[in-house]
Amino acid sequence: SQKIEQNSEALNIQEGKTATLTCNYTNYSPAYLQWYRQDPGRGPVFLLLIRENEKEKRKERLKVTFDTTLKQSLFHITASQPADSATYLCALAGFNKFYFGSGTKLNVKP
Amino acid sequence: DVKVTQSSRYLVKRTGEKVFLECVQDMDHENMFWYRQDPGLGLRLIYFSYDVKMKEKGDIPEGYSVSREKKERFSLILESASTNQTSMYLCASRLGGETQYFGPGTRLLVL
Repeated sequence: SQKIEQNSEALNIQEGKTATLTCNYTNYSPAYLQWYRQDPGRGPVFLLLIRENEKEKRKERLKVTFDTTLKQSLFHITASQPADSATYLCALAGFNKFYFGSGTKLNVKP
Repeated sequence: DVKVTQSSRYLVKRTGEKVFLECVQDMDHENMFWYRQDPGLGLRLIYFSYDVKMKEKGDIPEGYSVSREKKERFSLILESASTNQTSMYLCASRLGGETQYFGPGTRLLVL
């Protein structure tokens, strides 16, 4: 089955900086990949989807890249704010189901 | 606004008890999922259903069963709860496209 790796260590950055989170996967390349945000004690919330034939996707301050050769996706938050502090999960599409990474916790300090 | 609700936010049960976790979605979605989430392990799929009365095993179905009698409702059943089933349980639904909508989660403690 698909294995997904996200940095288990928390990422601490200063407000206003760009946060970059990494998602690496093994085995087959999925048709698309998603990023979710999860706040403590809450369910994940969908943020962005990028397809295998797309190199980059943007939504407001968010940007996702997808490199099927490296088997990697990068998730960027520009001009980060303390309200962006959360855990971010990547998810890969399989047949009829998704495989989730364990998430990276982002702390944005004022 | 899409909505997925779960019957309880917190639940405490004894070892050996039968536990029912209920999930309801109001979006007329065909696909529904049950995950458990544990620190360092991410979300792991227990069961999913792509239609009423249909179910498929996920990656960790042992010790669980599910029921989907109506389209909007998907129940997870722990036949005989054990301490290693202490976890956060998340329900999700999906229309057939790509985005999954998650409920708020049920934090289950088995003593």
